[in-house]
Amino acid sequence: DVKVTQSSRYLVKRTGEKVFLECVQDMDHENMFWYRQDPGLGLRLIYFSYDVKMKEKGDIPEGYSVSREKKERFSLILESASTNQTSMYLCASSLIRGSYEQYFGPGTRLTVT
Amino acid sequence: RKEVEQDPGPFNVPEGATVAFNCTYSNSASQSFFWYRQDCRKEPKLLMSVYSSGNEDGRFTAQLNRASQYISLLIRDSKLSDSATYLCVALNTPLVFGKGTRLSVIA
Repeated sequence: DVKVTQSSRYLVKRTGEKVFLECVQDMDHENMFWYRQDPGLGLRLIYFSYDVKMKEKGDIPEGYSVSREKKERFSLILESASTNQTSMYLCASSLIRGSYEQYFGPGTRLTVT
Repeated sequence: RKEVEQDPGPFNVPEGATVAFNCTYSNSASQSFFWYRQDCRKEPKLLMSVYSSGNEDGRFTAQLNRASQYISLLIRDSKLSDSATYLCVALNTPLVFGKGTRLSVIA
């Protein structure tokens, strides 16, 4: 079974803090994705990566950055957390570009106070 | 980016009922579609693919209507365990997710 793990299930940070969300997949997938999910807004794509050291902006990249130094790991960085970044963050991976099956991690519920 | 629209629901149905969800897409060039399921406080998971000829998997049937640009999911003989949010997805690079339709099956 593909496993996508995220570093924390729940996280509470203060406004202005730098926040790192880590995601690791164990199936040698090429593609990795970061989403946030909010009630009424569905899944919104923040950033994605099709290869190591590559990154592409999704629909809502503002206020976020990412890092992919190794194939299995994709990090989401909030440079200066704000209250409107309180959300559920979901990481996903898929085998190759064009794959229709994405495997999601369990999510990180981030609260910024 | 292509848009995929869904009725958010909730759909509240009794056990044993048949329920259908529709999803519309705006880009006629979209080729492939899928349904994902997301249980409460869980991550989304692939449920099934959608074909023009229809795709049936047990009590679930998915259908694509290219002329009208909509995708449907039919659930027969609803079970309590079917309660979830169902996400319509278009195969683009990357995937385009609808906002989901919430289903509650009531005893």
